[in-house]
Amino acid sequence: KQEVTQIPAALSVPEGENLVLNCSFTDSAIYNLQWFRQDPGKGLTSLLLIQSSQREQTSGRLNASLDKSSGRSTLYIAASQPGDSATYLCAVYNAGNMLTFGGGTRLMVKP
Amino acid sequence: KAGVTQTPRYLIKTRGQQVTLSCSPISGHRSVSWYQQTPGQGLQFLFEYFSETQRNKGNFPGRFSGRQFSNSRSEMNVSTLELGDSALYLCASSLDGGGSTDTQYFGPGTRLTVL
Repeated sequence: KQEVTQIPAALSVPEGENLVLNCSFTDSAIYNLQWFRQDPGKGLTSLLLIQSSQREQTSGRLNASLDKSSGRSTLYIAASQPGDSATYLCAVYNAGNMLTFGGGTRLMVKP
Repeated sequence: KAGVTQTPRYLIKTRGQQVTLSCSPISGHRSVSWYQQTPGQGLQFLFEYFSETQRNKGNFPGRFSGRQFSNSRSEMNVSTLELGDSALYLCASSLDGGGSTDTQYFGPGTRLTVL
């Protein structure tokens, strides 16, 4: 059974700092890995999708990497802003057409 | 292109009642999945539908059921509601629900409160 873990569970940083969120998964037989953002009480916004054959994806100030063999992914956020404050969720897409989610990292960026 | 829509956005029910939630996927998307989000358990997969067929089901009791219509819209039903069913129910759609390039797009969710 696939298990996804995110570290840290919560993070508070001053504005402008670069930061890294970590995600690990137990079963490397994945189709892809997605990073999502969730604002309080809202749905999920897809940030980046990394296919199983890829090593990284970039969108603006976000960069996500994938090391399938070691079961790890990182989300790098450059020059953080208060608007980046949200919960970030990592999810792996397995056979069975389902996403398995980590517990999330709650990020607070202070002005 | 309109995103995934879910109705209603908020529901309050009492124990023992039943509830139906609705999800309209992005136009052209044929796969619809449902997830339950609670503070204690996080996000958990309920089921996935493709072309009106349930292709996969998570580990939830039979009180949770769903269906998909020919226009890809989906409904989920929870019968005999329990207090523990209080959660945010999220619907996601994708083109075909499989493969390495298939991005899941989520709706805003339905907040269900069971009293």
